[in-house]
Amino acid sequence: SVLTQPPSVSGAPGQSVTISCTGSSSNIGAGHDVHWYQQRPGAAPKFLMYGNHNRPSGVPDRFSGSKSGTSASLVISGLQTEDEADYYCQSYDNSLSGSDWVFGGGTKVTVL
Amino acid sequence: EVQLVQSGAEVKKPGESLKISCKASGYTFPNYWIGWVRQMTGEGLEWMGIIYPDDSDTTYSPSFQGQITISVDRSINTAYLQWASLRASDSAKYYCARSEAGKGTAFFDYWGQGTQVNVSS
Repeated sequence: SVLTQPPSVSGAPGQSVTISCTGSSSNIGAGHDVHWYQQRPGAAPKFLMYGNHNRPSGVPDRFSGSKSGTSASLVISGLQTEDEADYYCQSYDNSLSGSDWVFGGGTKVTVL
Repeated sequence: EVQLVQSGAEVKKPGESLKISCKASGYTFPNYWIGWVRQMTGEGLEWMGIIYPDDSDTTYSPSFQGQITISVDRSINTAYLQWASLRASDSAKYYCARSEAGKGTAFFDYWGQGTQVNVSS
């Protein structure tokens, strides 16, 4: 994937976990926003965060995002069992081969 | 309520054609882009392309250009993803999703439930 995420992270209920999303100068580093999606097992992806750090209506404030340089991060604070899911970052990429929406490879969050 | 409802699962043979659909409701269909995303079993999300229903302006991912066709029928608020000749490697779940923009700061705010496509001889 053009955007690199750790394959998995885990934490106990109540703890915090951080998911990184590393890109390059043609996507995140070029100033393109990073957005995040949550996909629970067997379900469609769900819109989780937009514009690096903005939560859509209905998303708990336990979820927070940030972006710096060529990377972005999603932090889940006060981890709950319902947060167990795959998380994907997404941005936009301008390269010599063309322009593309790009996703990270996904990070599986396990609640211990 | 915004809804994207996709057509049902498909089982096809290599070389066959296929057109799957995504019916939108709860918003002004022509004014929002509809994109398609592939997810192979156990894998991540891949952006395939996007269309603006108002004028059918379409952009394809370089990875899928020439392999798929994205279209819309504005009269029935429906977007389509089609293949002229399927391959076994096209087996995946396909999602449609809505966006306010086609590029740049764009993101998908509503998703369909997905359509499973299985291609096997």
